[in-house]
Amino acid sequence: DVKVTQSSRYLVKRTGEKVFLECVQDMDHENMFWYRQDPGLGLRLIYFSYDVKMKEKGDIPEGYSVSREKKERFSLILESASTNQTSMYLCASRPTGRANYGYTFGSGTRLTVV
Amino acid sequence: AQSVTQLDSQVPVFEEAPVELRCNYSSSVSVYLFWYVQYPNQGLQLLLKYLSGSTLVKGINGFEAEFNKSQTSFHLRKPSVHISDTAEYFCAVSRGNDYKLSFGAGTTVTVRA
Repeated sequence: DVKVTQSSRYLVKRTGEKVFLECVQDMDHENMFWYRQDPGLGLRLIYFSYDVKMKEKGDIPEGYSVSREKKERFSLILESASTNQTSMYLCASRPTGRANYGYTFGSGTRLTVV
Repeated sequence: AQSVTQLDSQVPVFEEAPVELRCNYSSSVSVYLFWYVQYPNQGLQLLLKYLSGSTLVKGINGFEAEFNKSQTSFHLRKPSVHISDTAEYFCAVSRGNDYKLSFGAGTTVTVRA
């Protein structure tokens, strides 16, 4: 069974800390995505990567960066965490060129910044 | 870019009653349409998708959705819900070879005994 694994289910960090959220997929998918989910706003795309070392900004990239050094791993980095980044973060992946495939999602990381 | 509107943010429903969740999208080109479900404290799981062909699509757990091109809608239905259908439901759209899915704001379904 295909799998997207997010390393932490719950995280609590302090304002100003550098935070790393890790995502690993075992499906050999080229495309990977980071979304944040907030009540009433649905899912908003932060960054995506269509291949190793390639990345593009999504709709809300401010305050975030990403790293994709290996095909299976896509990291989201909060350079200096702020309270307005408290949210649920979801990672997803998909084979390239397969817009009809849909995404496979991880279980999410609920981040609280205090 | 396409936008997705889920017309109901909360839908309370009694067990064994039918439910319909409404989704409209805006796009001038052909799209692929998806419904996802998120159970409490979990990630999103694909319920069903429309790619082409028959406008009535059947998915998992007894859900179905109907694509209406003229009304740019993709409403989700289930004829008889269970307590276990309590979850948040998201409609999503992708266009052609676009990398990205655009999601609606979600509809929370609460099933009561």
